[in-house]
Amino acid sequence: DAGVIQSPRHEVTEMGQEVTLRCKPISGHDYLFWYRQTMMRGLELLIYFNNNVPIDDSGMPEDRFSAKMPNASFSTLKIQPSEPRDSAVYFCASSLAPGKGTGELFFGEGSRLTVL
Amino acid sequence: DQQVKQNSPSLSVQEGRISILNCDYTNSMFDYFLWYKKYPAEGPTFLISISSIKDKNEDGRFTVFLNKSAKHLSLHIVPSQPGDSAVYFCAARRGNKLVFGAGTILRVKS
Repeated sequence: DAGVIQSPRHEVTEMGQEVTLRCKPISGHDYLFWYRQTMMRGLELLIYFNNNVPIDDSGMPEDRFSAKMPNASFSTLKIQPSEPRDSAVYFCASSLAPGKGTGELFFGEGSRLTVL
Repeated sequence: DQQVKQNSPSLSVQEGRISILNCDYTNSMFDYFLWYKKYPAEGPTFLISISSIKDKNEDGRFTVFLNKSAKHLSLHIVPSQPGDSAVYFCAARRGNKLVFGAGTILRVKS
């Protein structure tokens, strides 16, 4: 299996621009998670989906952030408008059964966002 | 509110010695605890876990200890190897959600 695939790997943009990050989960995984990594706060859960439906978006920092999962093999995280404090590494992860056993999450390689 | 805390941002250990990474949590409803390892430019990968009903789990050189009364867990790596140099994240699970700590950078010197 190819694993979780994220794009772009790196994105540099200017404040005020729209940013769209993309994720393809592992085939057959019903759960998809978006995390953000910063030096100060580590890995923060932004939102997660189950069977393409958003279940918990309490970690989404502001209305500028939105996430969609139009089908089982694709999700997007959008920031509009972007601000310098959004600079971070954004990870997508998928899982078969996160609440059972070890509930292992499989992470993508991340998208490093820099907002100037 | 940081429910999972890793108070040591970094740790440096000599090759062959023991590495001990610590983690504290505040929510007694967590039912599973996990450690993830992350190399630069890669995503975190699962390392080892422990159920809240146990106090120790061992997998090769890696052992995780859980002290529920103190709300504390630790990861022991013995012996440490240069390839263990990475960022280690402690995570706690409630329902389908994993809450991560800020991570500890481990450097193993040869």
